[in-house]
Amino acid sequence: QVQLQQSGAELTKPGSSVKISCKASGYTFTSYDISWIKQRPGQALEWIGAINPGSGGTGYNEKFKGKATLTVDKSSSTAFMQLSSLTPEDTAVYYCARLKEAPFFDYWGQGVMVTVSS
Amino acid sequence: DIVLTQSPVLAVSLGQRATISCRASQSVSISSINLMHWYQQKPGQQPKLLIYRASNLASGIPARFSGSGSGTDFTLTIDPVQADDIAAYYCQQSRESPLTFGSGTKLEIK
Repeated sequence: QVQLQQSGAELTKPGSSVKISCKASGYTFTSYDISWIKQRPGQALEWIGAINPGSGGTGYNEKFKGKATLTVDKSSSTAFMQLSSLTPEDTAVYYCARLKEAPFFDYWGQGVMVTVSS
Repeated sequence: DIVLTQSPVLAVSLGQRATISCRASQSVSISSINLMHWYQQKPGQQPKLLIYRASNLASGIPARFSGSGSGTDFTLTIDPVQADDIAAYYCQQSRESPLTFGSGTKLEIK
């Protein structure tokens, strides 16, 4: 069965960076793009961007350019997102999700809580 | 960016029909393909795909969920509503980048 297993919660300080992971299993990793989505507490969902694991090609929401960097490690079927220059506004749950054609998100990871606090 | 507007809260009695709407700031349809999708999110959980391309039921989703609409106006219907359906429901468009979500509708029981 398709699973996306994300790394654990992070507590970080303003100005720092954090890198979170999303390990895929149950399907051919290079066959589907992986997207990342942000959800601030009690708020709606925001699409950050997507990466093609086969080519490494990326597409970003303009709002998150310079904030998020998406990469993959094909050997371990893992996608990564690095968030830089963190501020309290980056405090949120971050989800990875598999992107199906259309596109829509058919499988989601369990989410990673990133807390930015001094 | 395409803005998707949803009512914040909908209160429905158990066993009745719930109709959740989503209005897009511009058309999200291309020819006969409606690029609107729906998700359910229960508290403390990740979102789950319910409906894709406006009216197609995702795998494993009960048939009491259905979707309709085209252009700028879309509807998610739950009939009949069960206690397990208490959740937030989000629409999402894929007509243009960036992909955008509605602000969500919280389904409550009367």
